Amino acid sequence: KAGVTQTPRYLIKTRGQQVTLSCSPISGHRSVSWYQQTPGQGLQFLFEYFSETQRNKGNFPGRFSGRQFSNSRSEMNVSTLELGDSALYLCASSLGQVGSETQYFGPGTRLLVL
Amino acid sequence: AQKVTQAQTEISVVEKEDVTLDCVYETRDTTYYLFWYKQPPSGELVFLIRRNSFDEQNEISGRYSWNFQKSTSSFNFTITASQVVDSAVYFCAHTDSGTYKYIFGTGTRLKVLA
Repeated sequence: KAGVTQTPRYLIKTRGQQVTLSCSPISGHRSVSWYQQTPGQGLQFLFEYFSETQRNKGNFPGRFSGRQFSNSRSEMNVSTLELGDSALYLCASSLGQVGSETQYFGPGTRLLVL
Repeated sequence: AQKVTQAQTEISVVEKEDVTLDCVYETRDTTYYLFWYKQPPSGELVFLIRRNSFDEQNEISGRYSWNFQKSTSSFNFTITASQVVDSAVYFCAHTDSGTYKYIFGTGTRLKVLA
């Protein structure tokens, strides 16, 4: 089975721009979660989607949004980029309810905001 | 509130030494799940193990072993006869059955020197 894939792998943007990141979960997985990883804050939960519904959201400003499609693929969008948004964005998928299921992570998208 | 503490920021060992990575968690729930992930320089989080709160059996997988002790809220990870390829950042994570997110520790960077 193919693992979680994320595109693009690397991205350079400038302040004020917006960006969309994509995640394709493992086949059959219906839950997709997004995390932001920075040296200062570590791994922080952004949001989780299941069957196109957002079930939980982390403490991030409204500039961070996401969605999930009927095929379980997910996108996250960051508008009005700030320097502090530079990070590794990781997507993870699991079969169903995150608590009782193991999350499998993709390779991440490294975003650099200049 | 959920919390995961990995007090060891960085550990350096010489190849073939044994090393233990500590993880202490906080939760009010009786049903919860604990995980260990490995993050090599490539960035992808690689799943190592999941443990349920109602299963305190220790686990051994090759050179890896895990010691889960509810009495001390700890879930420690030991690598026996470490190898250079074990060099990575290791994360401990926790989730409760009723939530849809993982809480990660700050990670322990392990350097295995040849």
